[in-house]
Amino acid sequence: SQQGEEDPQALSIQEGENATMNCSYKTSINNLQWYRQNSGRGLVHLILIRSNEREKHSGRLRVTLDTSKKSSSLLITASRAADTASYFCATDDDMRFGAGTRLTVKP
Amino acid sequence: DTGVSQNPRHKITKRGQNVTFRCDPISEHNRLYWYRQTLGQGPEFLTYFQNEAQLEKSRLLSDRFSAERPKGSFSTLEIQRTEQGDSAMYLCASSSGLRRGNEQFFGPGTRLTVL
Repeated sequence: SQQGEEDPQALSIQEGENATMNCSYKTSINNLQWYRQNSGRGLVHLILIRSNEREKHSGRLRVTLDTSKKSSSLLITASRAADTASYFCATDDDMRFGAGTRLTVKP
Repeated sequence: DTGVSQNPRHKITKRGQNVTFRCDPISEHNRLYWYRQTLGQGPEFLTYFQNEAQLEKSRLLSDRFSAERPKGSFSTLEIQRTEQGDSAMYLCASSSGLRRGNEQFFGPGTRLTVL
């Protein structure tokens, strides 16, 4: 069974807008990670947030974690066409990925 | 070379044949993972190694699948008697540390097509 499950399944925005995607998980975790996969390319690690952290920033990325709700969100600010990709979350417990959120940023 | 490499990048085979894929992790990484990914889906965990020990296998990994990491460095994934349903991208990843959940570095994958 999947541990991390992302929503929405697909998101389409204009360049410059912000994009928010969410991840829910089932069991207690030590950390949660977000990955990006561009079309035809491998997965790239974006950011890791630990269970004792509530928010973390990396460039235009902002990740929040709510362990009471077993959920996380990834915010990409000032999106660019190059952000077009699938985004996945995975938890440390077993590194199982959901189906991802497919983000399309229109120029 | 500082990344994870996988060979071959593409493999086309006929149903019933055996195939073997290789993964070379980042040299200092002690953990190595195999995943399978089909179109529109996220990676599905298959198995992982800590050094040469195979610590977990997914129930997805039928008895036709076997993975090895004989010296704790490179790993091979073999699929025997391939079926059309085995067609997928096979991803390898490596990480360092004593615990699961550290950042994983993924290879480019091996795309398998079973005719």
